[in-house]
Amino acid sequence: EIVLTQSPGALSLSPGERATLSCRASHRIDSRYLAWYQQRPGQAPSLLIYGASTRATGIPDRFSASGSGTDFTLTISRLEPEDFAVYYCQSYVGSPRVLTFGGGTKLEIK
Amino acid sequence: QVQLQESGPGLVKPSETLSLTCDVSNYSIDSGYYWGWIRQPPGKGLEWIASMYQSGSIFSNPSLKSRVFISFDTAKNQLSLKLTSVTAADTAIYYCATSVGPFYLDYWGQGALVSVSS
Repeated sequence: EIVLTQSPGALSLSPGERATLSCRASHRIDSRYLAWYQQRPGQAPSLLIYGASTRATGIPDRFSASGSGTDFTLTISRLEPEDFAVYYCQSYVGSPRVLTFGGGTKLEIK
Repeated sequence: QVQLQESGPGLVKPSETLSLTCDVSNYSIDSGYYWGWIRQPPGKGLEWIASMYQSGSIFSNPSLKSRVFISFDTAKNQLSLKLTSVTAADTAIYYCATSVGPFYLDYWGQGALVSVSS
């Protein structure tokens, strides 16, 4: 069973600053199967990144992601007011087929 | 773009069965996407429940597998979820979602809150 640990649990930053969010897996993950989601208050999650580093359709380029093996990172280069939300990483394992979410990082306005 | 809308009773009694449907628009549910259910207890994180492919292939969260049943109604273009023997721990917002592949979830419904209480 894969466990995804996100850190920090909460991050307080100001608009214009850079945010770096971490997702660590308990076992090695194929990078093709690592995704990131954004969930704004009162809304459903939305896909940000798939394949560890590919932005989903319509996602601005201030969002970038990288990583391999067990360590993955989501970076927001210059925070906009609408970026303050909760971010989740998610993995897929093929045998047996299971999707797992991390516990989330809440990005708060300082 | 695919649109999803969950619906169902907002209140279910303990030990009963939670039943939800997900209406799909702008895409035929039997045309090849993966379809899934995810839940989120109030104020907490996301938990994947189960996913299903158009072929009928299903894979489920091991912790919920014995209580989860998902299916298609192609005539209504709907996805359905049944969760049996519910307890208060099953109180959550339930989302349906879809994607081209099984690896992640492209499109999400807005969610339906289900409370389990007597």
